[in-house]
Amino acid sequence: QKEVEQNSGPLSVPEGAIASLNCTYSDRGSQSFFWYRQYSGKSPELIMSIYSNGDKEDGRFTAQLNKASQYVSLLIRDSQPSDSATYLCAVKGGFSGGYNKLIFGAGTRLAVHP
Amino acid sequence: EAGVVQSPRYKIIEKKQPVAFWCNPISGHNTLYWYRQNLGQGPELLIRYENEEAVDDSQLPKDRFSAERLKGVDSTLKIQPAELGDSAVYLCASSLGGDKNIQYFGAGTRLSVL
Repeated sequence: QKEVEQNSGPLSVPEGAIASLNCTYSDRGSQSFFWYRQYSGKSPELIMSIYSNGDKEDGRFTAQLNKASQYVSLLIRDSQPSDSATYLCAVKGGFSGGYNKLIFGAGTRLAVHP
Repeated sequence: EAGVVQSPRYKIIEKKQPVAFWCNPISGHNTLYWYRQNLGQGPELLIRYENEEAVDDSQLPKDRFSAERLKGVDSTLKIQPAELGDSAVYLCASSLGGDKNIQYFGAGTRLSVL
């Protein structure tokens, strides 16, 4: 079992729709959760961080965390073609990795079509 | 404020040749990370520095990879000799530290070993 799992996609959504990206993790001790966006050929860029159960909203982005079920999700409202990228889920602070080690999933490729 | 700076951006070498990558972190960031990202995968940590001390190098293939961070600022990652399987993007990241620290990534070096 991978430590951080994501559906590789591609997830295809029409412009203006809500894109829902999911991530599960195996280490129950994980404390911090991040979503990075990575455009093709570019470096990862942080878009959301979440540390407590529940929802965290920032503009068109909402991160949701459920530690009991060990999943974290990212919702993108009013999706735009410019949101087309790979979204990486990253988890930190687990028992196996230590509090400063960031473990990434393989990423979900999102394609927003006009 | 300047971000994480890496050079070179691209490097093409023949197998068995040596190669080195350089990283300058964000000013004031005492934690520096080197990651390797294979195509279609998330970044995987190779080594983490707290100032000039390597505190996590468990994933660094020590037979051919080496890294240093003299004076706790710039860092270099070296591969000698390179193998075909080393072809990947090598990412450097830095952070302030702490349990909720955010890692910021450089543009990466794309290595092709022929």
